[in-house]
Amino acid sequence: GEDVEQSLFLSVREGDSSVINCTYTDSSSTYLYWYKQEPGAGLQLLTYIFSNMDMKQDQRLTVLLNKKDKHLSLRIADTQTGDSAIYFCAESRPAGNKLTFGGGTRVLVKP
Amino acid sequence: EAGVTQSPTHLIKTRGQQATLRCSPISGHTSVYWYQQALGLGLQFLLWYDEGEERNRGNFPPRFSGRQFPNYSSELNVNALELEDSALYLCASSLGDTQYFGPGTRLTVL
Repeated sequence: GEDVEQSLFLSVREGDSSVINCTYTDSSSTYLYWYKQEPGAGLQLLTYIFSNMDMKQDQRLTVLLNKKDKHLSLRIADTQTGDSAIYFCAESRPAGNKLTFGGGTRVLVKP
Repeated sequence: EAGVTQSPTHLIKTRGQQATLRCSPISGHTSVYWYQQALGLGLQFLLWYDEGEERNRGNFPPRFSGRQFPNYSSELNVNALELEDSALYLCASSLGDTQYFGPGTRLTVL
């Protein structure tokens, strides 16, 4: 199957950590991505992880990949009001080059 | 370095008309992708062009078509517009695996 699933909504206080979760079904996925979409805008690439990695850290962002459970997470440290947006996880596969996206998680950061 | 650009920003058409959307990739990128983001349907893959050829197509009817020009820019054409074609159309480009997106064209069909 091609399902990529995410929870719909996350509310977090400014300064706390946010954790956004994603599950996918296709074990042939090569790369897994996190994109951010602000209102009325396109998708901004935040980070990505290759399928043979377990963890990747990039400044305030930490990506964890559990291949056995096909579970991906994005942790945002010290969440700021500017982090309020919709976050999409996506997987890519060797053939066809298309990205399959989750439905997006809307993150609301409260001051 | 300039990112992916798309034009127009907004497009309003009536049912049955044709729409043409344009995309310029990041300099040096040879692949262009089109996605549809419709309300309630999420982000759906439409088309992939590489080196001027269509390489892959999503589950959309033939009235969605496009092409890639020698300078790697791309057009998406939607014929016989239907109300449900109203969506944000996103273009992305890549040189390898990672896709970088433009700001999108919002198409409204009345």
